[in-house]
Amino acid sequence: DTGVSQDPRHKITKRGQNVTFRCDPISEHNRLYWYRQTLGQGPEFLTYFQNEAQLEKSRLLSDRFSAERPKGSFSTLEIQRTEQGDSAMYLCASSSAGTGGGETQYFGPGTRLLVL
Amino acid sequence: DAKTTQPPSMDCAEGRAANLPCNHSTISGNEYVYWYRQIHSQGPQYIIHGLKNNETNEMASLIITEDRKSSTLILPHATLRDTAVYYCIVRLYSLGISGGSNYKLTFGKGTLLTVNP
Repeated sequence: DTGVSQDPRHKITKRGQNVTFRCDPISEHNRLYWYRQTLGQGPEFLTYFQNEAQLEKSRLLSDRFSAERPKGSFSTLEIQRTEQGDSAMYLCASSSAGTGGGETQYFGPGTRLLVL
Repeated sequence: DAKTTQPPSMDCAEGRAANLPCNHSTISGNEYVYWYRQIHSQGPQYIIHGLKNNETNEMASLIITEDRKSSTLILPHATLRDTAVYYCIVRLYSLGISGGSNYKLTFGKGTLLTVNP
């Protein structure tokens, strides 16, 4: 399968702990997006990379959140000092820029985080 | 991005066509209409997108009105596996490698389509 993959699929942690999620985009996709989805809501944009550059961060991304894409391939999303309100599904999507005709984002299966 | 309006829920009988409406009356000329769906506990799945012409692929058809203020996603022969939340999204056309969060997807609450046996 050459789709977007995310690891882990599920994570349970205690409040105050740090967690890190990984996203592997579709090969050669130069754009990578992180979204967060809480129960009953649609996904919300968190941040966006073009190659290794982080070009945009949502106001939802507090100082406790940091995302990286060091070599322009996989990306990590770290949450420090987790809070119960961080419990959500974290989704990664990738796309290829400059394809014309409307770029399409393809999503991974998500990482479901539960903070106790 | 233009706002979209979708009914919160719809039912469809298995084997029949499912027609999911979406209103996007404030869409601008450089915005595409995208449809995604999300089956419970999975990531969103891309279905189809279009600018102003009707589009068809192996999953569905997209009918966009001439004034582009509304569209309909058609699943020609719905199956139980098509039960999902369907999201209609309008988004700027990507012209190249420049740009940024203009290309993010802004999801609403979508339409929960339930296909009944």
